[in-house]
Amino acid sequence: SAVISQKPSRDICQRGTSLTIQCQVDSQVTMMFWYRQQPGQSLTLIATANQGSEATYESGFVIDKFPISRPNLTFSTLTVSNMSPEDSSIYLCSVVWHTQYFGPGTRLTVL
Amino acid sequence: SQQGEEDPQALSIQEGENATMNCSYKTSINNLQWYRQNSGRGLVHLILIRSNEREKHSGRLRVTLDTSKKSSSLLITASRAADTASYFCATEAPSNTGKLIFGQGTTLQVKP
Repeated sequence: SAVISQKPSRDICQRGTSLTIQCQVDSQVTMMFWYRQQPGQSLTLIATANQGSEATYESGFVIDKFPISRPNLTFSTLTVSNMSPEDSSIYLCSVVWHTQYFGPGTRLTVL
Repeated sequence: SQQGEEDPQALSIQEGENATMNCSYKTSINNLQWYRQNSGRGLVHLILIRSNEREKHSGRLRVTLDTSKKSSSLLITASRAADTASYFCATEAPSNTGKLIFGQGTTLQVKP
């Protein structure tokens, strides 16, 4: 199995600031995914983080708002930029390692 | 975009009863997966059923898939209080390895 850790586990941020979320996997994986779960809602895919190339964003998500880095096969970061209260969500990273695994999530509250 | 619809949205049963959740989707799939989420925490993968499979079992879980109706069901038998959680179905399209589209989820409460 793949073990995924995320930092921070939770944060409370002020409007207009940015937060970078880290995702670390204990195995080398080709693709990592970032999902958002708004309060009381299901998960929505933000983007696919590919090592050595630009991230691929889903409809409704843009790089300026959610820049992603993927420096190696075990690590990725997602930045939530210029935050507003609407960005309050749980952000989860996910990998495919024989099956799909999800990190514990980062619970973000924007005031 | 969300393509999975789940029903019921909420389900409350007594311990020992069976719980059935349904999921419908709109486009062709490579597989369909079910996940459990406890109190807004990370997701736990429960079971994956491929598009060429019709039924799959794992412990107290039974999943069916009907690709002609684009629907799936998750049955939890002999439920326990610890099964209280939100359950989500997620589909993977044939051409998108790893990218999942989630249903809206069913919140299950099992009363002791």
